[in-house]
Amino acid sequence: QQQVKQSPQSLIVQKGGIPIINCAYENTAFDYFPWYQQFPGKGPALLIAIRPDVSEKKEGRFTISFNKSAKQFSLHIMDSQPGDSATYFCAASPRTGGYNKLIFGAGTRLAVHP
Amino acid sequence: NAGVTQTPKFRILKIGQSMTLQCTQDMNHNYMYWYRQDPGMGLKLIYYSVGAGITDKGEVPNGYNVSRSTTEDFPLRLELAAPSQTSVYFCASTETGIPQDATDTQYFGPGTRLTVL
Repeated sequence: QQQVKQSPQSLIVQKGGIPIINCAYENTAFDYFPWYQQFPGKGPALLIAIRPDVSEKKEGRFTISFNKSAKQFSLHIMDSQPGDSATYFCAASPRTGGYNKLIFGAGTRLAVHP
Repeated sequence: NAGVTQTPKFRILKIGQSMTLQCTQDMNHNYMYWYRQDPGMGLKLIYYSVGAGITDKGEVPNGYNVSRSTTEDFPLRLELAAPSQTSVYFCASTETGIPQDATDTQYFGPGTRLTVL
């Protein structure tokens, strides 16, 4: 059972564009939603995370939008750069009783062309 | 701090062989996790541990075993390697079991790429 659905699978944008990656979840017990960035040959690294008590969170050029009623959240990358080319994973975790276990989406491979 | 370290980086096994993937963290984290990552897929949780001596199954535990004798180490054992276990394996750790914000993130190691032929 895929509890976190992520789209698109891959995305190509030009430098300066705003790629948007979407995720949807099913389990209403989820209440912690991190995004991870992974470069080839490396482990995932946390990019930004959000709790459902806020609808938006910004950190630098990265923004998470959260729609609790629709059970959807998305990552926006402003003024994208070639160095942002990586695979991005959304994830979800139940805050209580979940032991911080993460359920990952399938990933989105982003290419930012110069 | 070295963070989370994993050895080996790469390994090729024959069907039926066994091996142990090593994971060590120097952040004094209680919670540790093993994930596998297959091409085009997200990470799937194999096993996790909430402290020394305490382990539990994740989403895809079949064919694997773990132990946690110290806070620092969390080895993953493959007893009878099968081609379906060809994957990239990641170990992760975190300080808390109840994430409040981004500081409670899981920190990942660099991974072990395993091929079973």
